[in-house]
Amino acid sequence: GEEVAQTPKHLVRGEGQKAKLYCAPIKGHSYVFWYQQVLKNEFKFLISFQNENVFDETGMPKERFSAKCLPNSPCSLEIQATKLEDSAVYFCASSQSDNEQYFGPGTRLTVT
Amino acid sequence: ILNVEQSPQSLHVQEGDSTNFTCSFPSSNFYALHWYRWETAKSPEALFVMTLNGDEKKKGRISATLNTKEGYSYLYIKGSQPEDSATYLCAFGSYNTDKLIFGTGTRLQVFP
Repeated sequence: GEEVAQTPKHLVRGEGQKAKLYCAPIKGHSYVFWYQQVLKNEFKFLISFQNENVFDETGMPKERFSAKCLPNSPCSLEIQATKLEDSAVYFCASSQSDNEQYFGPGTRLTVT
Repeated sequence: ILNVEQSPQSLHVQEGDSTNFTCSFPSSNFYALHWYRWETAKSPEALFVMTLNGDEKKKGRISATLNTKEGYSYLYIKGSQPEDSATYLCAFGSYNTDKLIFGTGTRLQVFP
């Protein structure tokens, strides 16, 4: 597609439940990025992929967060045993090698 | 720790006023500086990607300048309109990674 698509738009989970978010990058883009936006406008980098390979995961909390980008499937970000502080908007972006990142509309995760 | 700062945090102007805001970023390992326009619940929209010191880019009434030696970029909006109301985010890209480090944004409100 011509736009980055993210589903669902809004996800509500009880504390301790699992949350799974999906991202379909723009067709032809080989890089995918996940960002977490918690407070104000601070977008915090989580992880990036080049095709299905993890490129940079320095922002990922290792214990409960995992992500995948498998061929012919949307990329996914999964949070096991969600905590209240995981409540945030999770943005996905994709790019070709020219470094410009195109963002999706985000998934708002609310942990209650 | 890489720090990207934006000022002011928020700005209220009258329709027709011209305005500008600042993004400061590390001057070492610089690769690119990105400006995004973001309305809540929508995808951040890429405005400019700037890579060369002294670069100046323009899109309609919006323009941006870049100084990589001193580590700052200015975004200018000429003759602000209510539809310019949004949060303007800058993001720093460095040579050794594809991830972006975001500033906290400048929230612009243009009153008719």
